[in-house]
Amino acid sequence: GAGVSQTPSNKVTEKGKYVELRCDPISGHTALYWYRQSLGQGPEFLIYFQGTGAADDSGLPNDRFFAVRPEGSVSTLKIQRTERGDSAVYLCASSSQEGGELFFGEGSRLTVL
Amino acid sequence: AQSVSQHNHHVILSEAASLELGCNYSYGGTVNLFWYVQYPGQHLQLLLKYFSGDPLVKGIKGFEAEFIKSKFSFNLRKPSVQWSDTAEYFCAVNEASNTGKLIFGQGTTLQVKP
Repeated sequence: GAGVSQTPSNKVTEKGKYVELRCDPISGHTALYWYRQSLGQGPEFLIYFQGTGAADDSGLPNDRFFAVRPEGSVSTLKIQRTERGDSAVYLCASSSQEGGELFFGEGSRLTVL
Repeated sequence: AQSVSQHNHHVILSEAASLELGCNYSYGGTVNLFWYVQYPGQHLQLLLKYFSGDPLVKGIKGFEAEFIKSKFSFNLRKPSVQWSDTAEYFCAVNEASNTGKLIFGQGTTLQVKP
């Protein structure tokens, strides 16, 4: 596609539920990144992939968060047992090379009630 | 841990005023530096970047930034702002040893009055 695509754009869920957020990067981009942005804050690094493998997952807040990129393209961020504090905009970005310009998607706004 | 500080949280300027947004980082090794911008209703996009060489870098739309290594700073400047520069500006840094982990500051909201 022309840009990074994220679905859903909005997700409202109840505390304790499981959520999946999907990211479709720019075709051919090998690096993929997940960030979380709360109101009034900058994007907070979660994880990045180089190909299929997670090169750095040091930003994942706890073991309820997990991300996969099985074929080196689409990635899914998975959140188990959601909590109200998980409410934020989850941003995905891709780049043609690690450390290069990041191209961001529109984000998925998650609201946990 | 590496961190990025943007001291101005909200800046209001009139058109044609000069702009300088502060950015400081806390890592002592070799870094790459970026400024990203988010216009209202749009996604984040790159404004300019510094990897090496001339510490004064020029980006799109007349923006420039100066890397001062001794001050751990990468301030963003524009001589004369326009109403269309109203946006949120984010400074970001990665370590040369781990370029995939880009750390962002908390952002500065710039409001330009026509």
